[in-house]
Amino acid sequence: DADVTQTPRNRITKTGKRIMLECSQTKGHDRMYWYRQDPGLGLRLIYYSFDVKDINKGEISDGYSVSRQAQAKFSLSLESAIPNQTALYFCATSASRWEAQHFGDGTRLSIL
Amino acid sequence: AQRVTQPEKLLSVFKGAPVELKCNYSYSGSPELFWYVQYSRQRLQLLLRHISRESIKGFTADLNKGETSFHLKKPFAQEEDSAMYYCALSTSGSRLTFGEGTQLTVNP
Repeated sequence: DADVTQTPRNRITKTGKRIMLECSQTKGHDRMYWYRQDPGLGLRLIYYSFDVKDINKGEISDGYSVSRQAQAKFSLSLESAIPNQTALYFCATSASRWEAQHFGDGTRLSIL
Repeated sequence: AQRVTQPEKLLSVFKGAPVELKCNYSYSGSPELFWYVQYSRQRLQLLLRHISRESIKGFTADLNKGETSFHLKKPFAQEEDSAMYYCALSTSGSRLTFGEGTQLTVNP
């Protein structure tokens, strides 16, 4: 099931580098989300978008930016990566508040 | 502000035993609650949601507004139930707030 596709799957980079994580979906959903997962902390929302012209900050947006290039594409950028941004990043989509969110496979990001 | 608490990070039971994964929430409005599951090497996926009042893979969860809880239960655990389970709360702003997760291990 490749309805929500994240690239790359793994990335190792150095402190200070700019990184972009990409998410594309074929589900036709308007709502897209970026989360990070850290052990013991669960998933925390970074940014979310309800349509192409709507971008909202989540609970941990500092140090991140996003771009909604089209209904199907939502990218997450780290302008200047730092080691505590090492985490597993998930993209998700949904049709509405009451419907399930559909997740990608995740991007494992390591910042040295 | 909304919050979801899963008090047990790790839970271990034997096959055939009952299992209950606890979830408590705080939210002043009308909550929408979900359980998501992540099996080893698989995507995070929806297990069930309280508005559906359904049983999935033998699991059920009842919303108790008085105790602000949404505990996940299964009467007879199976080895294939071993996974990470997340309770999540959807609020009027359409954001999902996740709990910290509970790693369930079902031993043979």
